[in-house]
Amino acid sequence: GQSLEQPSEVTAVEGAIVQINCTYQTSGFYGLSWYQQHDGGAPTFLSYNGLDGLEETGRFSSFLSRSDSYGYLLLQELQMKDSASYFCAVRGQTGNTPLVFGKGTRLSVIA
Amino acid sequence: NAGVTQTPKFQVLKTGQSMTLQCAQDMNHEYMSWYRQDPGMGLRLIHYSVGAGITDQGEVPNGYNVSRSTTEDFPLRLLSAAPSQTSVYFCASSYGSGFDNSPLHFGNGTRLTVT
Repeated sequence: GQSLEQPSEVTAVEGAIVQINCTYQTSGFYGLSWYQQHDGGAPTFLSYNGLDGLEETGRFSSFLSRSDSYGYLLLQELQMKDSASYFCAVRGQTGNTPLVFGKGTRLSVIA
Repeated sequence: NAGVTQTPKFQVLKTGQSMTLQCAQDMNHEYMSWYRQDPGMGLRLIHYSVGAGITDQGEVPNGYNVSRSTTEDFPLRLLSAAPSQTSVYFCASSYGSGFDNSPLHFGNGTRLTVT
């Protein structure tokens, strides 16, 4: 099966940089995705890494190391509106396996 | 463009009652899925469908049925509600097969309480 580990909570100061780590175990690997979810809202897609390296989208970047089964989401210039839960997700086992989500990291941005 | 629409937004059921959670998408997505979200448990896959007439079980399918008679609709049926099914239910769809990197588009969720 697949399993993902990410910290349950992270707190950071407005304007700072925060990194949310995700380690995964799968028998196959078909990419690591990140989703954001505000309280009471629906998850929304942030980024995808299919290959090793860094993907940048504005203030958000996501990194993948397939050899280490590890990835992270980097949020820069934190804003209060970034307070949300962040989920990493993988597909594994075979190419025909739906997305499996981690339990999420709750980010609190404080002034 | 409405995206993924879920109804109802809130529902309270008594133990043993049945109901159907509705999900419709207008993006012509082939892949649709149902997740439940419980505190500290993340999103767990209940059932999914890769196209009309095709459904399969996810991680936590017991107590739920699905069907996919059209591309647009993917209802989730609770056969006999139990308090353990109290949760927030999300429907999601994607352009691709569901087995590629196409992002999932989520509905706004149905908050279900079973007493």
